[in-house]
Amino acid sequence: AQSVTQPDIHITVSEGASLELRCNYSYGATPYLFWYVQSPGQGLQLLLKYFSGDTLVQGIKGFEAEFKRSQSSFNLRKPSVHWSDAAEYFCAVVRTGTASKLTFGTGTRLQVTL
Amino acid sequence: EPEVTQTPSHQVTQMGQEVILRCVPISNHLYFYWYRQILGQKVEFLVSFYNNEISEKSEIFDDQFSVERPDGSNFTLKIRSTKLEDSAMYFCASSGPRGRATEAFFGQGTRLTVV
Repeated sequence: AQSVTQPDIHITVSEGASLELRCNYSYGATPYLFWYVQSPGQGLQLLLKYFSGDTLVQGIKGFEAEFKRSQSSFNLRKPSVHWSDAAEYFCAVVRTGTASKLTFGTGTRLQVTL
Repeated sequence: EPEVTQTPSHQVTQMGQEVILRCVPISNHLYFYWYRQILGQKVEFLVSFYNNEISEKSEIFDDQFSVERPDGSNFTLKIRSTKLEDSAMYFCASSGPRGRATEAFFGQGTRLTVV
């Protein structure tokens, strides 16, 4: 069964600092990979996705993620964090080429200090 | 921009009561989902729905749960007899149309509180 691991439960960064959120997946083949963000009391917003092709994908709000097949990782990055980025971030995978269920990681809560 | 809408945003119900959570998926989408998130935990898949039938369901989705697409626009989740442990945020999602089925768009969620 596929699984997603987000090893960092809680991360605190200063505004303007760079950010990297880790995500590792376990799956027999390369799945489709996603990052979602959830602000307090809000729904899930898609930040970016990887289906195939260029392993560095750009998303909304200045986020990017890099797929590394050898490490089964899909880490999310942002060069300069803004206070409004404080939220919960979820990595998710889905079986390639289907409309199958998303399997989510446990999430990383990002706190931004001014 | 098209979006998935869910109503109500918050529902409080007594244990043992039936609840229906409503969702309006994006209009040209073909695949529909329900997920739930118990407070402080990760988002969990409940069920997927395609072509007017359940295509996949998790072990959470037992006989107390049912889904329906009663008309061309709504997608509902019914919990027949709520339990305290059903308290969670419930998210509806949709994806499609055919050929772009894997990118799911989520609604804002319905917070269900069972007392």
